[in-house]
Amino acid sequence: EVQLLESGGGLVQPGGSLRLSCAASGFTFSSYAMSWVRQAPGKGLEWVSVISGSDGSTSYADSVKGRFTISRDNSKNTLYLQMNSLRAEDTAVYYCAKGYSGSCYSYVGDWGQGTLVTVSS
Amino acid sequence: DIVMTQSPDSLAVSLGERATINCKSSRSVLYSSNNKKYLAWYQQRPGQPPKLLIYWASTRESGVPDRFSGSGSGTDFTLTISSLQAEDVAVYYCQQYYNIPFTFGPGTKVDIK
Repeated sequence: EVQLLESGGGLVQPGGSLRLSCAASGFTFSSYAMSWVRQAPGKGLEWVSVISGSDGSTSYADSVKGRFTISRDNSKNTLYLQMNSLRAEDTAVYYCAKGYSGSCYSYVGDWGQGTLVTVSS
Repeated sequence: DIVMTQSPDSLAVSLGERATINCKSSRSVLYSSNNKKYLAWYQQRPGQPPKLLIYWASTRESGVPDRFSGSGSGTDFTLTISSLQAEDVAVYYCQQYYNIPFTFGPGTKVDIK
């Protein structure tokens, strides 16, 4: 059974940094693309970033480009999202998501339960 | 960016009746080299993460009841719930994974009438 467990969320001041982690189990982590998708309170889903399982290539939404960095440690079966220069509009539940293949061009087959990031002074 | 729109914003359907949700992409999400439509549907129940229902526009995910079906062309797609059950109360999102950024529709809320 696929399990995705996010951690690292919390309250941070504007301009601050936070690193989210997603511990994966139940599948061969290195073989699959992984993404972060966020959802602001009461709002819809917003795709944030993806990292391929094949060559580690990455892509970002324009809203986070230059501020967020996605990475993975295949030896630890863990996905990360380093978030810098945080803004109030980054406040959201952040979901870790598993693709259906190693390619970035993938639907999300499995979702974590999410971790809440609140950016506020 | 490919813009995804959905209609209606919300709908209320009687138990056992049909619910139809529409999704439109601003550009085709049909990849001609493999003839696949890069369109997925997700269900999000209150307080829960999203759940995959349909991928490649019309392929039902394993374990998803067959009352859920997807159809559509390169830009216009439909999710149909043939006989609404109480557990289908949720927000439904379409998403294109054809072009980065992978955009979602704004969601359609389904309630019981």
